[in-house]
Amino acid sequence: GAVVSQHPSRVICKSGTSVKIECRSLDFQATTMFWYRQFPKQSLMLMATSNEGSKATYEQGVEKDKFLINHASLTLSTLTVTSAHPEDSSFYICSARGAPGQGKRGELFFGEGSRLTVL
Amino acid sequence: KQEVTQIPAALSVPEGENLVLNCSFTDSAIYNLQWFRQDPGKGLTSLLLIQSSQREQTSGRLNASLDKSSGRSTLYIAASQPGDSATYLCAADRGSTLGRLYFGRGTQLTVWP
Repeated sequence: GAVVSQHPSRVICKSGTSVKIECRSLDFQATTMFWYRQFPKQSLMLMATSNEGSKATYEQGVEKDKFLINHASLTLSTLTVTSAHPEDSSFYICSARGAPGQGKRGELFFGEGSRLTVL
Repeated sequence: KQEVTQIPAALSVPEGENLVLNCSFTDSAIYNLQWFRQDPGKGLTSLLLIQSSQREQTSGRLNASLDKSSGRSTLYIAASQPGDSATYLCAADRGSTLGRLYFGRGTQLTVWP
């Protein structure tokens, strides 16, 4: 299957700093990327949907100024957690959907996730 | 909104057993239903994807079925092995929002030797 890479896999930061997480589609062009957040023993919660070259669409309750998403190219989307606080500590996972003809229609490919710990 | 429910939440079985994991969804207007595996602290690995026009998909010891009319999918694992221990997540989309998946809480499977 297609490969989606996330970096960093783990990050520890001090409260008040900003953290950037990258999501790259390595062998296909991702027209749409999704960012999820997962709390321990919980399922994945969609935070936002980003389409290349346009503004991200955020889910209700997700602060767009807090979680900045940029999808500047067909292979890269970034999530920046601004002024991080301990309650932002979580597991963040991105997924990517390829252009028509890449994989099965609507199939999503997931990154390995990024564990953020805010002290 | 699509709501996905998985039963059971946890399952512990001896090696060699055949297993059935259940998933139900509220909106039958789906394009795809996917089953994923998640190991602790890791991302998701796609196991099987069933498109709305299909009734089942098979990969090795895994078989997933889809019944859109009843809003159900099952994942069948044959001859379970300790290496199958993981959390299994079911996710469905809605026809109007292609690619956006709604996840269940998962079934945490432990297969002991």
